[in-house]
Amino acid sequence: AQSVTQLDSHVSVSEGTPVLLRCNYSSSYSPSLFWYVQHPNKGLQLLLKYTSAATLVKGINGFEAEFKKSETSFHLTKPSAHMSDAAEYFCVVSLMMDSSYKLIFGSGTRLLVRP
Amino acid sequence: DAGITQSPRHKVTETGTPVTLRCHQTENHRYMYWYRQDPGHGLRLIHYSYGVKDTDKGEVSDGYSVSRSKTEDFLLTLESATSSQTSVYFCAISESAGQGTGEQYFGPGTRLTVT
Repeated sequence: AQSVTQLDSHVSVSEGTPVLLRCNYSSSYSPSLFWYVQHPNKGLQLLLKYTSAATLVKGINGFEAEFKKSETSFHLTKPSAHMSDAAEYFCVVSLMMDSSYKLIFGSGTRLLVRP
Repeated sequence: DAGITQSPRHKVTETGTPVTLRCHQTENHRYMYWYRQDPGHGLRLIHYSYGVKDTDKGEVSDGYSVSRSKTEDFLLTLESATSSQTSVYFCAISESAGQGTGEQYFGPGTRLTVT
């Protein structure tokens, strides 16, 4: 069965320091993986996606993620946090079922950025 | 929000009353989805549609029904609202399964409170 585990429900960093949001997945085949971001009272925005073309994926706003098959991980990183990065982040795996894609969501990681 | 609107954006209703939420897209995407978001659960799929008049259940479909009479509109109905259906509801769209990699684009959400 496909599943996604986000290892931290909350992460707190100081502005200007690196960000690491951890995600492990379980999949019986090579998955498509995504990170979405949700700012307060907003919808979800696609941050980046992995589709087997390259293991290091760059997204918007300076975020990137590395797909590590041996570790079944897809951690999200950013070298230097900005106040505007404060949001909730969801790691998501895409599953093909019945000729359509389904998304399996992690429970989310709330990123706090301290001044 | 990728040409997706939801209405209403906020609604307060009483237990036992019917409620219909509307999702409208201007992208002409084939697939449409309804999710609910609750603290600690990420997003959970309620129902989805893979074409006009073609719908199927997601993981939390009990108490909900959907209809899609036009490509651009996907309606979610709570026949008799209960307090457990208090949640934030998101609509999403995606391209045909043969294109893209399953990423979905989300609307702004509807906050529903059942008293």
